[in-house]
Amino acid sequence: AQKVTQAQTEISVVEKEDVTLDCVYETRDTTYYLFWYKQPPSGELVFLIRRNSFDEQNEISGRYSWNFQKSTSSFNFTITASQVVDSAVYFCALSGGDYKLSFGAGTTVTVRA
Amino acid sequence: SQTIHQWPATLVQPVGSPLSLECTVEGTSNPNLYWYRQAAGRGLQLLFYSVGIGQISSEVPQNLSASRPQDRQFILSSKKLLLSDSGFYLCAWTGLAGYTQYFGPGTRLTVL
Repeated sequence: AQKVTQAQTEISVVEKEDVTLDCVYETRDTTYYLFWYKQPPSGELVFLIRRNSFDEQNEISGRYSWNFQKSTSSFNFTITASQVVDSAVYFCALSGGDYKLSFGAGTTVTVRA
Repeated sequence: SQTIHQWPATLVQPVGSPLSLECTVEGTSNPNLYWYRQAAGRGLQLLFYSVGIGQISSEVPQNLSASRPQDRQFILSSKKLLLSDSGFYLCAWTGLAGYTQYFGPGTRLTVL
């Protein structure tokens, strides 16, 4: 069975602070995919990134960066210099070979001006 | 480019009434389609998925059902709604060789 744990339920920061969201996963698949999605107040899930299990290279996209460490089964997400528009619920998810996604419980990020 | 539509956007229904939510995808063929439910303040629960017309897999036994009458159309139904069916329903799709799921705007259902 696959499992995704997002230990942080809520994070509140002041604008321009950095915020890191933790994600730990469990799977028996040797090939799997990890994802981060953003859910703004409107409700729609917005795809942010996908990582393959065989590619541990970290990635940066603008103010967003992701740290994938297979040794600790973690896929953490950092928002640098946070902005009010970053306020949302962020979900980490995992997919094995069956095309189904297992989601974490989500982390609510509130960025205060 | 591909787009995914869901309707209605919001729905308020009495307990015991029927339900029909529709999801359509444009700009792709043979997508895998998914229905999720998100209860208030909770994560996403996979309800059904489909890899082709008429092929439906159920993840959670309940009073909901799904159908795929056309390649790019996915319908979520119920004959009699329960209070516990309230939530935010999201449809998603992936391409044949893709693992990334792209989500629709969702339907917010309130059962009173």
